[in-house]
Amino acid sequence: ETGVTQTPRHLVMGMTNKKSLKCEQHLGHNAMYWYKQSAKKPLELMFVYNFKEQTENNSVPSRFSPECPNSSHLFLHLHTLQPEDSALYLCASSRNLQGGEQYFGPGTRLTVT
Amino acid sequence: GEDVEQSLFLSVREGDSSVINCTYTDSSSTYLYWYKQEPGAGLQLLTYIFSNMDMKQDQRLTVLLNKKDKHLSLRIADTQTGDSAIYFCAETLYSGAGSYQLTFGKGTKLSVIP
Repeated sequence: ETGVTQTPRHLVMGMTNKKSLKCEQHLGHNAMYWYKQSAKKPLELMFVYNFKEQTENNSVPSRFSPECPNSSHLFLHLHTLQPEDSALYLCASSRNLQGGEQYFGPGTRLTVT
Repeated sequence: GEDVEQSLFLSVREGDSSVINCTYTDSSSTYLYWYKQEPGAGLQLLTYIFSNMDMKQDQRLTVLLNKKDKHLSLRIADTQTGDSAIYFCAETLYSGAGSYQLTFGKGTKLSVIP
């Protein structure tokens, strides 16, 4: 498989559930990102990892917990979410942190009920 | 302003040219990008321009950069129905320690009328 893949593509969860989003990149990149895309708002950067180390946490609530076990895999662990967390969650990767050529996965559409 | 700004909607007839405009915030941005998002998909890098260029052409796409006004535009010649999508303008901002982040506009939804 090529590019950036994300699973699941769709997720419905209650506010008391715990779930995880998975991202995998097959591009040999060193940096990975989580973004949140909500309607009528700009794309919001959540977390950045470079060589498995977190370099950015843009004031994201602790109910979102990222994990990057290696440069190819990135997870977003979710617990006790709120309805306003419903959005499209996009994963991206890039060769390094010096450029803007980011490659995006198809996203996970999350609905919190 | 502090945001990357784009108009939200654009509607054109098939075969016409589309021009999507963007204003960005940081005059020191080294690269400026256009991404395309089709329904149900992630963002796809369409093209980019280095800040020392005024224009870049890539087949049906022409990017124009006016650094003085911090204005970027994307022209799509001979627009096709398959070009219907949301187009995002993005600038690179320095975030410290040699790292850069992308800051995106809200996106312009292009609708192509057959």
